[in-house]
Amino acid sequence: EIVLTQSPGTLSLSPGERATLSCRASQSFSSTYLAWYQHKPGRAPRLLIYGASSRATGIPDRFSGSGSGTDFTLTISRLEPEDFAVYYCQQYFTSPLTFGGGTKVEIK
Amino acid sequence: QLQLQESGPGLVKPSETLSLTCTVSGDSITSTNSHWGWIRQPPGKGLEWIGNIYYSGNTHYNPSLKSRVTLSVDTSKNQLSLKLTSVTAADTAVYYCARRARDSSGSYPIDYWGQGTLVTVSS
Repeated sequence: EIVLTQSPGTLSLSPGERATLSCRASQSFSSTYLAWYQHKPGRAPRLLIYGASSRATGIPDRFSGSGSGTDFTLTISRLEPEDFAVYYCQQYFTSPLTFGGGTKVEIK
Repeated sequence: QLQLQESGPGLVKPSETLSLTCTVSGDSITSTNSHWGWIRQPPGKGLEWIGNIYYSGNTHYNPSLKSRVTLSVDTSKNQLSLKLTSVTAADTAVYYCARRARDSSGSYPIDYWGQGTLVTVSS
């Protein structure tokens, strides 16, 4: 199975700052099959990015995704108060689908 | 607006069967462009994909759970169901149902999740 490792585990930033989240895979796969999710406590996870770089419907353009092969990145250009949450990457290239361990973006 | 609502017992005894239902509104479970599935998250741990099902009944399961999991759909009620047998404390988790919808490249990201339901395994 493909293991996804996210870093850092926690990112402490202030509103308005730029957040850069990393997701590294244990083996290379097509970027077509990489997604990012935002998760807040008690709420349904929300799809942000699919295909490594395509924003899902209704996602603000401050969220962007990039990467290929084994290294993928989610960037939030300017953090808004509602962006403080846990972010997960996920691959759907092969079964079993797997998720990274998450990066918590917290208010500094 | 698509909504997924999980329901079922919040407490299950060890060795018994965990049964959950997900009611889908805002889309048909027979959509040819969608698969439906379950993901879980034990307290303080990461997300684990359980499996998914197409409306025709075609299923894919996580090998780690395959021997204990059964997914099914009820097209008349627009619902999907999860059964997990022989549960232990390790199966305590928030269980999410989710939709995988075909995107422009022909792949199937998980695009909608339910809010999740906590199931505790304890005597």
